[in-house]
Amino acid sequence: GQQVMQIPQYQHVQEGEDFTTYCNSSTTLSNIQWYKQRPGGHPVFLIQLVKSGEVKKQKRLTFQFGEAKKNSSLHITATQTTDVGTYFCAGNTGNQFYFGTGTSLTVIP
Amino acid sequence: NAGVTQTPKFRILKIGQSMTLQCTQDMNHNYMYWYRQDPGMGLKLIYYSVGAGITDKGEVPNGYNVSRSTTEDFPLRLELAAPSQTSVYFCASSYLGYYEQYFGPGTRLTVT
Repeated sequence: GQQVMQIPQYQHVQEGEDFTTYCNSSTTLSNIQWYKQRPGGHPVFLIQLVKSGEVKKQKRLTFQFGEAKKNSSLHITATQTTDVGTYFCAGNTGNQFYFGTGTSLTVIP
Repeated sequence: NAGVTQTPKFRILKIGQSMTLQCTQDMNHNYMYWYRQDPGMGLKLIYYSVGAGITDKGEVPNGYNVSRSTTEDFPLRLELAAPSQTSVYFCASSYLGYYEQYFGPGTRLTVT
């Protein structure tokens, strides 16, 4: 069945350091979405990538979709304490999204 | 615009009991979803609906049932609760299947 793997599972960084999480699918995706979930909260949509090789930026966040549309990454430059949370990718095939296991980011002030 | 609302926020069930988790959205979205999230894990799709009267199974449908009689409401029914159903349940909606999903605040369910 469809699998979406995400690494690393946990990441601790000093404030100001960069952070990257990687997402890999066992099959080709139609598109991929990224969500952020604060501790005790619900997932909140960040961005959607559709095209092969697509790169999108939101301030300090850079999102990439692989050429084969089977992998994606989220990179945060110069982390801040407000970046704390779990970041999930969600790969779409048809009507369903398959969520990765998430990367929990801790930022040490 | 309340978005996606879920009730209850918390619930403790005994093994074998049944309950319905309520979900309502006021954004006139066609698609609605039910996910469960176990500690330290991602979200697993239980059921989804592409419109009123139409539902389909996701990855982990066993032990659950859904119905969608209106665009706004998508209740999730647990029959004969088991400890394995202890989880946080999120309802979500989207305009279409590949659009961004809006999540409700979640229901924390414990089965003992």
